[in-house]
Amino acid sequence: AQRVTQPEKLLSVFKGAPVELKCNYSYSGSPELFWYVQYSRQRLQLLLRHISRESIKGFTADLNKGETSFHLKKPFAQEEDSAMYYCALSPSGGYQKVTFGTGTKLQVIP
Amino acid sequence: EAGVAQSPRYKIIEKRQSVAFWCNPISGHATLYWYQQILGQGPKLLIQFQNNGVVDDSQLPKDRFSAERLKGVDSTLKIQPAKLEDSAVYLCASSLDPKYTEAFFGQGTRLTVV
Repeated sequence: AQRVTQPEKLLSVFKGAPVELKCNYSYSGSPELFWYVQYSRQRLQLLLRHISRESIKGFTADLNKGETSFHLKKPFAQEEDSAMYYCALSPSGGYQKVTFGTGTKLQVIP
Repeated sequence: EAGVAQSPRYKIIEKRQSVAFWCNPISGHATLYWYQQILGQGPKLLIQFQNNGVVDDSQLPKDRFSAERLKGVDSTLKIQPAKLEDSAVYLCASSLDPKYTEAFFGQGTRLTVV
């Protein structure tokens, strides 16, 4: 069975500090990993996916198959980064049978 | 472009009553998803449609939940009868196709069962 674990419910950092939101997964095959973000009073939206290997809003995430992790990182946090972040996994690529983690609330302190 | 539309935004019902949610996906999107998000948890996929056919409903409690997507456009999700544990936000999402294209989410319907 596939599972996504986000160990932190809340992560508070000061503006300008580095951010790392942790995500670990359990899946026997080759998954596709995503990060979704939900800003206050807004819809859930895709932030980035590992196959794109791109940086969105300064965030990056590298898939580490050895550690089964897909941590989200940003070198310098900004106040507008405050939001709920969800890590998600799809076993067969695309958006089929996507499993979400429980989410981490990022709070950037001015 | 217009986003995924859902209604109602909020609904409060008593247990054992029935309720229905409506979703209008982005025009041209073939794939439609319904998710259930219980407070403190991530979204859980209930059912996925490709056009008007069901692709995956393995996590849909079929004894009380039903969903349809007539004509491959709008969709409704129904709960009958509702239980207290059905209290959650129900999210609808759509994508052009299920592989390698972004899914766009609606605002969700917050259901409270009392």
